Amino acid sequence: AQRVTQPEKLLSVFKGAPVELKCNYSYSGSPELFWYVQYSRQRLQLLLRHISRESIKGFTADLNKGETSFHLKKPFAQEEDSAMYYCALSVQGTGKLIFGQGTTLQVKP
Amino acid sequence: EAGVAQSPRYKIIEKRQSVAFWCNPISGHATLYWYQQILGQGPKLLIQFQNNGVVDDSQLPKDRFSAERLKGVDSTLKIQPAKLEDSAVYLCASSLETSAYNEQFFGPGTRLTVL
Repeated sequence: AQRVTQPEKLLSVFKGAPVELKCNYSYSGSPELFWYVQYSRQRLQLLLRHISRESIKGFTADLNKGETSFHLKKPFAQEEDSAMYYCALSVQGTGKLIFGQGTTLQVKP
Repeated sequence: EAGVAQSPRYKIIEKRQSVAFWCNPISGHATLYWYQQILGQGPKLLIQFQNNGVVDDSQLPKDRFSAERLKGVDSTLKIQPAKLEDSAVYLCASSLETSAYNEQFFGPGTRLTVL
């Protein structure tokens, strides 16, 4: 079965603290994974994709095929990082995205 | 570059009524997606078009939902008749082509409330 699990609905941290948003997936093929973000009153947008191996706004994510995980990390959280974060798996052949339930990140001053 | 446009932004109807949503993708994007996002959940794909052909509609409740993309550009999603459980945000997205690697660009969504 194709599935993405984000176990935390809400993650609350203080500014400057490290952040790790967890994502686990179930997929029989070679996974293409993404993190999408939705800031308050904005539309859903791509944050980063694993194939690019890039750091966006200080965030990184490493694909761990052994643990079937794609956790999102940032060493020092900023207040502007407060948003809803979705992990998504792209299905080979169609590009269809399977989303997790999302994690709300709240960064307190 | 203009983003994905959707209308209306909000709609309130009573159960058993009909409703239609419109989406205009980014110019040049061949692939168009409709997602349903129920409160507290991630978006779920309803239907995917490549130009004017359907790629995936496996999760579209075809007894009440229909969608078309007649000229391969803008698209309409219809619900007839609506049920209470259809209350959700309906998101339209587009991408350059059908590929697992392509970024999807999302519209602002239409929030549907069924009373």
